[in-house]
Amino acid sequence: AQSVTQPDIHITVSEGASLELRCNYSYGATPYLFWYVQSPGQGLQLLLKYFSGDTLVQGIKGFEAEFKRSQSSFNLRKPSVHWSDAAEYFCAVVEVQDMRFGAGTRLTVKP
Amino acid sequence: DAGVTQSPTHLIKTRGQQVTLRCSPKSGHDTVSWYQQALGQGPQFIFQYYEEEERQRGNFPDRFSGHQFPNYSSELNVNALLLGDSALYLCASSLGLAGAGTQYFGPGTRLLVL
Repeated sequence: AQSVTQPDIHITVSEGASLELRCNYSYGATPYLFWYVQSPGQGLQLLLKYFSGDTLVQGIKGFEAEFKRSQSSFNLRKPSVHWSDAAEYFCAVVEVQDMRFGAGTRLTVKP
Repeated sequence: DAGVTQSPTHLIKTRGQQVTLRCSPKSGHDTVSWYQQALGQGPQFIFQYYEEEERQRGNFPDRFSGHQFPNYSSELNVNALLLGDSALYLCASSLGLAGAGTQYFGPGTRLLVL
């Protein structure tokens, strides 16, 4: 079955530390891949997306993600986390017209 | 340029009632998709409207229905509300059926069913 998996439900990092959020998908072909961020009580904001081409994608707010076909992964990274990055992060996949989301990873930032 | 707007922002209903949520797409967009996000979960696709017709549907019962108007705005209707329908309902707009990869999301309507 097609699925998107975010293995980490909750991650805590110190401000200024690096961050990596994991995302794995199971689809037959290479789908379109996305990372969204959601602050409490808010809608979803697109951080970055991958359609094709360069497997390292740059996004807003200093985030980047790398598509690894061999591992069916699309992990999100940031070299130095800011307190304002605390939020829920969702990986999503589009195949044809259907967008499917992972269950999300909640990021807590320690001062 | 207004983004995707949704109304109301919050809503409280009781079991068995019916509810209508509204969405106005981003300027220039003609396709609207609806998602349900239960607490602590990722959004789940309900359905998508294009040219005033439902084009694709997720795994939701017929109690969930929708409509798209000529100005591309959309409504989500839920009948016979259940406690489990309590969630954040997100609307997303895009351009054309193939635009799911460039969706813009609204802030959502939070529905509480008592």
